[in-house]
Amino acid sequence: QKEVEQDPGPLSVPEGAIVSLNCTYSNSAFQYFMWYRQYSRKGPELLMYTYSSGNKEDGRFTAQVDKSSKYISLFIRDSQPSDSATYLCAMSYNNNDMRFGAGTRLTVKP
Amino acid sequence: AAGVIQSPRHLIKEKRETATLKCYPIPRHDTVYWYQQGPGQDPQFLISFYEKMQSDKGSIPDRFSAQQFSDYHSELNMSSLELGDSALYFCASSSLHLLTDHYGYTFGSGTRLTVV
Repeated sequence: QKEVEQDPGPLSVPEGAIVSLNCTYSNSAFQYFMWYRQYSRKGPELLMYTYSSGNKEDGRFTAQVDKSSKYISLFIRDSQPSDSATYLCAMSYNNNDMRFGAGTRLTVKP
Repeated sequence: AAGVIQSPRHLIKEKRETATLKCYPIPRHDTVYWYQQGPGQDPQFLISFYEKMQSDKGSIPDRFSAQQFSDYHSELNMSSLELGDSALYFCASSSLHLLTDHYGYTFGSGTRLTVV
């Protein structure tokens, strides 16, 4: 079993929809939780960063961490075609290396 | 703003050849990480360096080696290349001391290595 599980999708939604992306993990020692957006042939781009539990909001993006359930989420409000990308969750306990989810491929249709 | 610079962007090598990938981290970042991302796969951690010393080692084959130099740039050396080494190789950098202020990781654009 992988330490981080993420449904690879693909996920297709109409423009303006609310998108929910999720990851579960097994290592309770993880403290740092991140969401990355990766466009085709590009390096992952950090979207959201959360330390320990809680919610964090940045524009149309909201990240949630529930350490008791070992579950993290990324919500995208008012989704746009430019949001079409692969979204990777990542987490770390010691900052020496990260564990990535498989990535969810999202398509937002105009 | 300065980003993580990787070179070359693309590299084509034959089996059993050697390849060297370079990574220039963001200024003031003291930690460099290397990842390998195969087609349709999530990035796999290879190795990391903090202040020019190896800090952690992941699934890096024995045929690969890496080092971080005094100017903090890093090089990934890959020998006896195999077809399965074809992948996107990412470098990321961070500042260990600034993690909780959220600098997180910043990735370079990657080097696409094709072994034929």
